[in-house]
Amino acid sequence: TQLLEQSPQFLSIQEGENLTVYCNSSSVFSSLQWYRQEPGEGPVLLVTVVTGGEVKKLKRLTFQFGDARKDSSLHITAAQTGDTGLYLCAGHQEDSWGKLQFGAGTQVVVTP
Amino acid sequence: DVKVTQSSRYLVKRTGEKVFLECVQDMDHENMFWYRQDPGLGLRLIYFSYDVKMKEKGDIPEGYSVSREKKERFSLILESASTNQTSMYLCASSPGTYPSLQQYFGPGTRLTVT
Repeated sequence: TQLLEQSPQFLSIQEGENLTVYCNSSSVFSSLQWYRQEPGEGPVLLVTVVTGGEVKKLKRLTFQFGDARKDSSLHITAAQTGDTGLYLCAGHQEDSWGKLQFGAGTQVVVTP
Repeated sequence: DVKVTQSSRYLVKRTGEKVFLECVQDMDHENMFWYRQDPGLGLRLIYFSYDVKMKEKGDIPEGYSVSREKKERFSLILESASTNQTSMYLCASSPGTYPSLQQYFGPGTRLTVT
């Protein structure tokens, strides 16, 4: 079983719509990252959140870290076709050195 | 511009063959990682290394070994390839200093074992 559960697994929306991806766990993480992976490429870091309740914005993307540091969400406003990709959350736990635990990912498809 | 390169984008091998996957990073990073990525399972850590000649098992090390003779190079070895090792293999590196935990990934090697 995955330590980090992502939902939904797949999301298809039209350009201009909003979407939210969730990343949940029963474990506490000292920090959580979101990556985006495009076909044929490795994941690329979008953001790191480290404080419970933290909200970070990256243009049309808003990331939130839960107060208890067990969950996170990614919200995209007015999605564009360039937002298409596999979104992965990854968490770092205390005493786990530099290792990350990855969720299974959410495939987002934005159509014109 | 940071760069992680992997020796092959696509590889087809036969069952029982010994397979070498090479990864090179040019960022002078201490830490290097090997993952496999399968649909619905995300990235699973096979092995990692935090220094030259040092290696640690990840979550799924069975059937794999690694070698890190130089800081910039981390090799994944499949001693005797099996069909259940057909997968996308991703290499990553990160600096040794906390809290910079960003991992930089290569483009991946899609391995098919027939």
